[in-house]
Order: sequence, then C-alpha cells, then structure tokens
Amino acid sequence: GAVVSQHPSWVICKSGTSVKIECRSLDFQATTMFWYRQFPKQSLMLMATSNEGSKATYEQGVEKDKFLINHASLTLSTLTVTSAHPEDSSFYICSAPRASGRGRQFFGPGTRLTVL
Amino acid sequence: GIQVEQSPPDLILQEGANSTLRCNFSDSVNNLQWFHQNPWGQLINLFYIPSGTKQNGRLSATTVATERYSLLYISSSQTTDSGVYFCAVAVGSSNTGKLIFGQGTTLQVKP
Repeated sequence: GAVVSQHPSWVICKSGTSVKIECRSLDFQATTMFWYRQFPKQSLMLMATSNEGSKATYEQGVEKDKFLINHASLTLSTLTVTSAHPEDSSFYICSAPRASGRGRQFFGPGTRLTVL
Repeated sequence: GIQVEQSPPDLILQEGANSTLRCNFSDSVNNLQWFHQNPWGQLINLFYIPSGTKQNGRLSATTVATERYSLLYISSSQTTDSGVYFCAVAVGSSNTGKLIFGQGTTLQVKP
C-alpha cells in the first residue's frame, strides 16, 4: 500500500527556535500534500495544502509566515514552524492522495512537537 | 462550510460486543474515509467509501450519500480495537481533496 513517512517523529525545542518537519511519499508521487494539526483529545484540523511547483494554500486563521511550507519535489513537502512558542506544541500530521485529489488519502505517522 | 458530526463521542464495550458508529455530514461529498487512530497517533485507513457498503473482516461500513450519513460497524470487538475512530469527508467542486474530519468516537474495549 501507499506509504507516507514523516521526520522527525518527535521534537523538543526551546521557545523562539524554528523546527522543520519533513513529509515524504515513499512509493508514489504526490503533487499535493496536506498538513494537519491535532491538539490533545481533539480532531485533526487542516492547516494548509502543499502544492508542488507553486505556493501553499493556507486555511483561514493559519499564519503563513509562521508555518512555512515548501513542496520541494513530487515526493517531499516540508513544514517549518518559525519562532516556535509553547502554544505551537501539537501533533502535526501530513497526508497525500495517491492518485489524484479525488483519491483516498494516506497519512504519515505524525510529528509531536513540544516547545519549552 | 460542511459540518461533520460523529456519534457517540465515547463508547465503552465488553470484548466480544458489537457496535455501530455514525457519521453525519451536512452537504454532498466527493469521498468519505474512516480511520482508526492508534495510541501512537498513526491514522490507519479503514475504508474509502463515498457510497455503498464494504466489508473487511470484522469491520464493515455503509455510506448513504443521498441521506448524508455513514455507519461503521465493528463486530466481535477486541481490546485492540480501542482508540479513536474518525470519519473524514472531501468536498468542493474544485476537487482539492481536502479532508474535513469529524470530532471522532473514542472506543474503549474492556477484556
């Protein structure tokens, strides 16, 4: 089946630093990937759509200068949390549709970010 | 925007019992998926089911798109079924593939 990986799986950083999270589709190409955030005991909230070859599309209320997204290739999207603060601590999950935007989506294992 | 509501929010079962989880959505959807989130946070694809009925082992799902709901059936539940079950729908004529998640049903299966 389709496999999506994320790195790192967890990260602890000091307030004010930037953290980069990678999302890779291992056995298929993805021109579009999605980034979600999940707070404890809550559902997944879509943050942004990562588009290969063009700018990311952000959901309402998500700061694009805070969460930088780069879709570097057909198999890699990165999310950089800039100047992280404790309120950015969360579980970040990426997904990729296998065939097209209509297709079923496959999720990475997630990255748990803790900002001290 | 579209609303996705899941019920019940919490469910406690004895091992061996059957259960039905429900997902209601407020508008037409392009696709619907059911996921199980394990204790480590990984989302496991259960079903891709924009309409109709599918079965996979002890699990089955039915989506009635015209009535805007989907059901996930778990039979002969096991302790390993515990976790959070999410339904998610994709919407939009532009077919962006964005998924909107329900709030989830937290299932606890007791031995």
